[in-house]
Amino acid sequence: DAGITQSPRYKITETGRQVTLMCHQTWSHSYMFWYRQDLGHGLRLIYYSAAADITDKGEVPDGYVVSRSKTENFPLTLESATRSQTSVYFCASSRGLATDTQYFGPGTRLTVL
Amino acid sequence: SQKIEQNSEALNIQEGKTATLTCNYTNYSPAYLQWYRQDPGRGPVFLLLIRENEKEKRKERLKVTFDTTLKQSLFHITASQPADSATYLCAPPAPPGNTGKLIFGQGTTLQVKP
Repeated sequence: DAGITQSPRYKITETGRQVTLMCHQTWSHSYMFWYRQDLGHGLRLIYYSAAADITDKGEVPDGYVVSRSKTENFPLTLESATRSQTSVYFCASSRGLATDTQYFGPGTRLTVL
Repeated sequence: SQKIEQNSEALNIQEGKTATLTCNYTNYSPAYLQWYRQDPGRGPVFLLLIRENEKEKRKERLKVTFDTTLKQSLFHITASQPADSATYLCAPPAPPGNTGKLIFGQGTTLQVKP
């Protein structure tokens, strides 16, 4: 049972480059989320999606783009990476919103030089 | 705006003792609150959910309380073990109270010494 996977696990890129982080879940969960985790800030929501083709902004969406053409995939794109986007990125999924558990992927550590 | 506060200082305790972690929230009243565990280099894992009408919730050695008057949740681990060492995150929902998006506290790191 694969659950929720993220790729790549580690990525080093340069300022100005476009980077796409992938997230795939095998549960057919309706909701998917992208968070970033930084020292001193904890987990912050970037974007979330309620279903295929439905996405919405979270707390820190600037500089990021998401899409969800299929229920199981939720890629996150940094259109022009900046050093401030160096972080650990976590994808999560849940069956519903209200009280449902969120299941997290293993994370992607992104370094922008 | 709403604020979630967890003790940022690490909590060091001796094996066998009870660990108590605190989560305080301000400026709103969440309908429920979740607790997650995060090990280094891994994603958070769900532990417990407590609703506003539940004063206490238990799961094996874990106990969570929810005091809506104090605007506080306490997370207890009894008979702690070195394997309990991790960072624990509280996560109430974003206002207005039941939208389902979670706000995560910064977490408290627990270190259980043998």
